[in-house]
Amino acid sequence: EAGVAQSPRYKIIEKRQSVAFWCNPISGHATLYWYQQILGQGPKLLIQFQNNGVVDDSQLPKDRFSAERLKGVDSTLKIQPAKLEDSAVYLCASSIDRDNYGYTFGSGTRLTVV
Amino acid sequence: DAKTTQPPSMDCAEGRAANLPCNHSTISGNEYVYWYRQIHSQGPQYIIHGLKNNETNEMASLIITEDRKSSTLILPHATLRDTAVYYCIVRVGSVGSSNTGKLIFGQGTTLQVKP
Repeated sequence: EAGVAQSPRYKIIEKRQSVAFWCNPISGHATLYWYQQILGQGPKLLIQFQNNGVVDDSQLPKDRFSAERLKGVDSTLKIQPAKLEDSAVYLCASSIDRDNYGYTFGSGTRLTVV
Repeated sequence: DAKTTQPPSMDCAEGRAANLPCNHSTISGNEYVYWYRQIHSQGPQYIIHGLKNNETNEMASLIITEDRKSSTLILPHATLRDTAVYYCIVRVGSVGSSNTGKLIFGQGTTLQVKP
């Protein structure tokens, strides 16, 4: 089966600019997650979707980050405006449902804010 | 916060078994132990998970102590391609529960397999 697709692979922006990341999960996977991974740290969960509804966004900095999954399939994560500390890899993962055992991760988008 | 403790780094000789320890002394009865690994520039990859019993699959074996307060991931014959960061994670919730089932990652163990 095809994996979790993410784009772009790399992005460099200046601080205070906006950026958006896209994720297409594995077909049929109802649950989608966005993680932020700062260099040298483990991934940190930002938001979890079940179909097109938000299950958990407690760690999402809502003043600048937003995410949507309008049709319950692909998803976008946006940062507006970006700060230097947002430099990280943004990982998308999906699973069949929230009780499923394993997540499949994409390769991530590496964001550099200068 | 992550509920597990792992050594920051380990070395292993190629062809030998790699034994990666993990402490999870506050684990609850319905929480599973998961192991993922992350090879450089890739997303984390699922390896194995378990609740109480030891588990084995084509990638690794998971040994969980009887009191469930610690576990060991075993890669029976490590290769250079097994060099990665290995994450031990306690998963909140279980099958059929109303919990969100999110995975909370810690710092992991960087395993370096040497020729």
